[in-house]
Amino acid sequence: DAKTTQPNSMESNEEEPVHLPCNHSTISGTDYIHWYRQLPSQGPEYVIHGLTSNVNNRMASLAIAEDRKSSTLILHRATLRDAAVYYCILNLGSGNTGKLIFGQGTTLQVKP
Amino acid sequence: EPEVTQTPSHQVTQMGQEVILRCVPISNHLYFYWYRQILGQKVEFLVSFYNNEISEKSEIFDDQFSVERPDGSNFTLKIRSTKLEDSAMYFCASSPPPSSGRAQNEQFFGPGTRLTVL
Repeated sequence: DAKTTQPNSMESNEEEPVHLPCNHSTISGTDYIHWYRQLPSQGPEYVIHGLTSNVNNRMASLAIAEDRKSSTLILHRATLRDAAVYYCILNLGSGNTGKLIFGQGTTLQVKP
Repeated sequence: EPEVTQTPSHQVTQMGQEVILRCVPISNHLYFYWYRQILGQKVEFLVSFYNNEISEKSEIFDDQFSVERPDGSNFTLKIRSTKLEDSAMYFCASSPPPSSGRAQNEQFFGPGTRLTVL
């Protein structure tokens, strides 16, 4: 399974943008880049995913480097509710078992 | 929005006892998963299940573990003889068919069952 590297922790101020980086230098051509988050005392929650192009949804944006060896999750205006552990996960597309291999993730603190 | 549900929320058992953790996945989903998270550690994949059979399992998922989809709605994880090190949060997840318009392998997680083995 291809590995990802994320900073252990980051801090942000409320209502400011947050850029969460992820390195995945051994990504293969069929790996999708998924982001999940885990709020305190809850199960993981899907945030966004992409393959090659940048992606936007109601929760966040995903910027993918041209060589696909890194990506950045962007929260446009952090709220206190966004304090969570954010996981960057490589996942094969349809046809595989879909298992998610979680790393340690980045613990995001949001200060009021 | 439909949710994955899990029961019980907390299960306390004695070492050596059998436990069954129950999950009700989202109704039109086809892929089912169990994960666990030992306190303070990362989430670990246990098993994936599709078309009424295990499609992949991790090294953690040994002979003491089994999964079943006994009817059209429930998905269970059984631990035959619990050990102290089985104490963890157990998360069930489900994933829709690829043609549903959802993200590739977007998984919906339940709230978890906290298993405490004494």
